[in-house]
Amino acid sequence: EAGVAQSPRYKIIEKRQSVAFWCNPISGHATLYWYQQILGQGPKLLIQFQNNGVVDDSQLPKDRFSAERLKGVDSTLKIQPAKLEDSAVYLCASSWRMDRQETQYFGPGTRLLVL
Amino acid sequence: RKEVEQDPGPFNVPEGATVAFNCTYSNSASQSFFWYRQDCRKEPKLLMSVYSSGNEDGRFTAQLNRASQYISLLIRDSKLSDSATYLCVVQLQGGKLIFGQGTELSVKP
Repeated sequence: EAGVAQSPRYKIIEKRQSVAFWCNPISGHATLYWYQQILGQGPKLLIQFQNNGVVDDSQLPKDRFSAERLKGVDSTLKIQPAKLEDSAVYLCASSWRMDRQETQYFGPGTRLLVL
Repeated sequence: RKEVEQDPGPFNVPEGATVAFNCTYSNSASQSFFWYRQDCRKEPKLLMSVYSSGNEDGRFTAQLNRASQYISLLIRDSKLSDSATYLCVVQLQGGKLIFGQGTELSVKP
């Protein structure tokens, strides 16, 4: 079974530039998550989708971050404009449903460096 | 106060040692509990779920105390391959995972 795919794997940009990340979840998984992991910390949920609807975006900095999941499959996360503190690994995860005990499978992440 | 707090690391232990990680959580509405493992520059992967009755998977034993909101992980007979960061995780209703900051384990020959 193919895992969660993410691209690009690495990105270096200057502050105030824009950047977009892409995620393709495991086939058939209805729930998709974007996490931000800053060096030395655990992942923090940014946004959760159930199919193409947003379930939780309470920790998404909406003045600069946006995400969509058109057609309920692939998802993109955008940052515009980027700040130095956005340097982190952006992890996408998916699960079959959003029930408790439902295992979330993580993609390899996109490592972002903002200069 | 952080929602999930773990022992600060790193833990440096010799092969064959027994090592214990502790974790506390603040949200009494937390419904499910896990330990994830994260290798350097890799994504987190589920190590095991944690139940109130305690559960064991080979050399790994996890315990949950809901009354004191405490989670533990015990690794017996440590191997070099156990070197990683161990993340304590609670799950809220609706699926949201809350991660601790992680505890780094380094097993030396």
